[in-house]
Amino acid sequence: AQKITQTQPGMFVQEKEAVTLDCTYDTSDPSYGLFWYKQPSSGEMIFLIYQGSYDQQNATEGRYSLNFQKARKSANLVISASQLGDSAMYFCAMREATGFQKLVFGTGTRLLVSP
Amino acid sequence: DAGITQSPRHKVTETGTPVTLRCHQTENHRYMYWYRQDPGHGLRLIHYSYGVKDTDKGEVSDGYSVSRSKTEDFLLTLESATSSQTSVYFCAISEGFGLAGGGEQYFGPGTRLTVT
Repeated sequence: AQKITQTQPGMFVQEKEAVTLDCTYDTSDPSYGLFWYKQPSSGEMIFLIYQGSYDQQNATEGRYSLNFQKARKSANLVISASQLGDSAMYFCAMREATGFQKLVFGTGTRLLVSP
Repeated sequence: DAGITQSPRHKVTETGTPVTLRCHQTENHRYMYWYRQDPGHGLRLIHYSYGVKDTDKGEVSDGYSVSRSKTEDFLLTLESATSSQTSVYFCAISEGFGLAGGGEQYFGPGTRLTVT
């Protein structure tokens, strides 16, 4: 079974608007971590944000926030005030307690920001 | 930025030849990983290491071997390259989950390998 599901292959947003990229996960571990990475067209993988399963508050890093809904097993990435430089592939990933420091990645969502 | 380099950055090789990719880190992180990235599959783990000479298989390890003789270097070897191993290969490092953080991984720039 897919452990990380990203159902949006592509998303479009206008500059300065907010956008939500969806991620759902599947685990029976009570302890896990959720991550988002950005991959621009240049190819590098950039770590954006982390949420622990026991964290009480949603994680935020600048314009990025993680909308963590534990009961729904969702960890959506919200980008506020989109910029042209946000155009990229975005990957959601999960670390499980039984996964021995390994991450499992989703298939990604391509975001295109238009002027 | 984490100090991670990969070499070579690009390589074209013929089917049946051995290929070794190198990952070098200057961060002294304990954990190192090799992934491959293919369209429609995201990143898939090939092998990982949890210390010098300590390695284990990931989900797509067939046809690959690894070695880690020093903390800073993690080598990925394709013993006999096949066209199905044409891919972009990423190395990543991590301090692991615990006091140091959530286990986030930091990636090298990638190696584009083409097997003809």
